[in-house]
Amino acid sequence: GPKVLQIPSHQIIDMGQMVTLNCDPVSNHLYFYWYKQILGQQMEFLVNFYNGKVMEKSKLFKDQFSVERPDGSYFTLKIQPTALEDSAVYFCASSLLGSSYEQYFGPGTRLTVL
Amino acid sequence: GEQVEQLPSILRVQEGSSASINCSYEDSASNYFPWYKQEPGENPKLIIDIRSNMERKQIQELIVLLDKKAKRFSLHITDTQPGDSAMYFCAARANYGNEKITFGAGTKLTIKP
Repeated sequence: GPKVLQIPSHQIIDMGQMVTLNCDPVSNHLYFYWYKQILGQQMEFLVNFYNGKVMEKSKLFKDQFSVERPDGSYFTLKIQPTALEDSAVYFCASSLLGSSYEQYFGPGTRLTVL
Repeated sequence: GEQVEQLPSILRVQEGSSASINCSYEDSASNYFPWYKQEPGENPKLIIDIRSNMERKQIQELIVLLDKKAKRFSLHITDTQPGDSAMYFCAARANYGNEKITFGAGTKLTIKP
């Protein structure tokens, strides 16, 4: 089936540094999402993105977070600067159209902030 | 925003028996209820879903029930197998034009041989 790819699979950085998580969504999908999952807990919505714009963001999407998809390349989540509480697995998802179609999840990027 | 409660958090059943997971939601505008299975270190995968115009849906050994009045929905796995051991997440989504999914806290299902 359709696959969402995420790069890297693991990232370890020092607190205060910048990190960019990359997502390669399904090729004809139009809606993109980031979710955060702390170990042993449920996934929580961060942000969704359509037509070059953030459509909705949750309270977890702090000012230090930003998303973009320049020129149809990777859909990225940038955290600058990182904090210890940003350690989690970040899942990217994409869907063809927002309301009626399945969201396909990537394998996740495990981010560890030291 | 939407809140989804999921119980139990841990479930152990004997191989061949049934497993049931129950969820409730708050937002009456939620109209799509997917269930995801997540194996350790893997991404969540959609296994079955139900829309608000249905009360029951079955795919092979998976049955989902939806009670819109009570705002409850449930997953039942009949004739469980060792491969069914995983984390299961229920979720809810509304058609506001924003498409975020609100997940339950998850159920760790273990099938005992």
